[in-house]
Amino acid sequence: AQSVSQHNHHVILSEAASLELGCNYSYGGTVNLFWYVQYPGQHLQLLLKYFSGDPLVKGIKGFEAEFIKSKFSFNLRKPSVQWSDTAEYFCAVNAPPYSGGGADGLTFGKGTHLIIQP
Amino acid sequence: GAGVSQTPSNKVTEKGKYVELRCDPISGHTALYWYRQSLGQGPEFLIYFQGTGAADDSGLPNDRFFAVRPEGSVSTLKIQRTERGDSAVYLCASSLRLAGGMGEQFFGPGTRLTVL
Repeated sequence: AQSVSQHNHHVILSEAASLELGCNYSYGGTVNLFWYVQYPGQHLQLLLKYFSGDPLVKGIKGFEAEFIKSKFSFNLRKPSVQWSDTAEYFCAVNAPPYSGGGADGLTFGKGTHLIIQP
Repeated sequence: GAGVSQTPSNKVTEKGKYVELRCDPISGHTALYWYRQSLGQGPEFLIYFQGTGAADDSGLPNDRFFAVRPEGSVSTLKIQRTERGDSAVYLCASSLRLAGGMGEQFFGPGTRLTVL
């Protein structure tokens, strides 16, 4: 079974600061990796995803993430945050059946609550 | 187009009662997922449907929880003999099941269940 670890539960930054949110997963096989965001009062929505190919993936709103297989990590980055980035961020993983994982459902981390101060 | 919808948005019930939570997925999405999110936690996988059948129900915590999707569209999550520990936000997601893997999961707004 997979597990996901998000190192920072709460992060407070000022506008224009750079952001990096850590995510590590445990699973030995092929995985799909995701970052979801939940803005206050809104649904979970996908920021970006990695299935295969270039390990540096770009998502919406200027976010990007890098898959480092040797470190089992998929950290989320943004060079300059805005007040509107205040939200809860979730890293998630699944091990699709074609990789032998047999798990279509996502395994989520506990989330990081990001507050951007104007 | 419409997103995933869930009803009711809030449900308050008493310990021991039976509840049903409904999910209406995005039209054409063959895959449907239920998750449960407790306070301060990430969503926790419960069950996955591909079409009408439950392809993976390994996340259901016990036999008080059951879900159906009789026509391959709307799904109902049923909880019998509710307990205070069942209080959580129940999330539904749907996706296109793409060959070689899964498509992006689109989440609904959730049903907040409170068991008194």
